[in-house]
Amino acid sequence: KQEVTQIPAALSVPEGENLVLNCSFTDSAIYNLQWFRQDPGKGLTSLLLIQSSQREQTSGRLNASLDKSSGRSTLYIAASQPGDSATYLCAVSGGGSNYKLTFGKGTLLTVNP
Amino acid sequence: KAGVTQTPRYLIKTRGQQVTLSCSPISGHRSVSWYQQTPGQGLQFLFEYFSETQRNKGNFPGRFSGRQFSNSRSEMNVSTLELGDSALYLCASSLSSGTGVEQFFGPGTRLTVL
Repeated sequence: KQEVTQIPAALSVPEGENLVLNCSFTDSAIYNLQWFRQDPGKGLTSLLLIQSSQREQTSGRLNASLDKSSGRSTLYIAASQPGDSATYLCAVSGGGSNYKLTFGKGTLLTVNP
Repeated sequence: KAGVTQTPRYLIKTRGQQVTLSCSPISGHRSVSWYQQTPGQGLQFLFEYFSETQRNKGNFPGRFSGRQFSNSRSEMNVSTLELGDSALYLCASSLSSGTGVEQFFGPGTRLTVL
């Protein structure tokens, strides 16, 4: 059974700091990995999707890496801003599960002005 | 192109009642998946529908059911509501079924069971 873990559960940083969010998964036979952002009480916004054959994806200040063999992914946020405050969720597709996506429980990020 | 829409956005029900939630996928998308999000369990997959057929099902009791119409719109029904069913229910659509296809999420329906 695929399990996804995100560390840390919560993170508070001052504005302008670079930060890394971590995601690990137990079964490396995934199709892809996706990072989402969720604002309080809202739906999910897709940030980056990395196919299993890729090592990283970049979008603006965000960079996500994938090491499938070790079951790890990181989301790097450069020059954080208060508007980045949200919960960040990692989800994998495949990996011994017929579920469409298996999610981690998220990292709650607070960026202080 | 309009995104995924879910109605209603908020619902308050009492124990024992039943509820129906609706999801309209992105135009041209034929797969709809449903997820439940609670503070304790996080996001959990409920089921997926494609071409009016349930393709996959998560580990939820039979009180949770769904269906999909010919226009790809989907409904989810929960019967005999329990307090623990209080959650944010998210719908996601994708072009096709199958693992690895990118999904796009709606804003969710917040269900509160009293």
